[in-house]
Amino acid sequence: ETGVTQTPRHLVMGMTNKKSLKCEQHLGHNAMYWYKQSAKKPLELMFVYNFKEQTENNSVPSRFSPECPNSSHLFLHLHTLQPEDSALYLCASSQEARNSPLHFGNGTRLTVT
Amino acid sequence: GQQVMQIPQYQHVQEGEDFTTYCNSSTTLSNIQWYKQRPGGHPVFLIQLVKSGEVKKQKRLTFQFGEAKKNSSLHITATQTTDVGTYFCAATNYGGSQGNLIFGKGTKLSVKP
Repeated sequence: ETGVTQTPRHLVMGMTNKKSLKCEQHLGHNAMYWYKQSAKKPLELMFVYNFKEQTENNSVPSRFSPECPNSSHLFLHLHTLQPEDSALYLCASSQEARNSPLHFGNGTRLTVT
Repeated sequence: GQQVMQIPQYQHVQEGEDFTTYCNSSTTLSNIQWYKQRPGGHPVFLIQLVKSGEVKKQKRLTFQFGEAKKNSSLHITATQTTDVGTYFCAATNYGGSQGNLIFGKGTKLSVKP
């Protein structure tokens, strides 16, 4: 069982909608991540938060907006998405943002219509 | 940009046969991690290798890190149907942070009973 919980598990949204993905970790970790997993592509790192501070933003379009209110919670706010944004969005946490194993949540399967 | 090449992309084996996936980089790596993702699931951390030439075993799984720290392999002896899934390597370059963890595309293993 994962110590990282993501909601919702599935989400279908139109291109004009605004929605948010939620992630919560119960492992006492200090770093949290958003990854995008698309078919036939490597896992793509989107954002990294270390002790609530954003340390990485890998050229992600502004229609994706992360929020990390504390070291246990992470959100990904979505607005005016495109169909090509449909993918599995995985949240992960690690003890620290350096050489620590990642613990992934179950992911949110997002479909943009 | 920096890439981690993983081969093969797919591997179909008969139950009881062995399986190996390889991960290669053109640059020296600080460490390498291996993950397994079951169909419909999320990546789960298996192991981390840090030292040159390191070999670690987990039951039927053997992990190796090359002497030059530019390649790694995962070998499964006598595969079982429970081994089905996609195996990912993920690596960090020297001096990199977890935000620079680079995932391979994965090797999808199917096992015929």
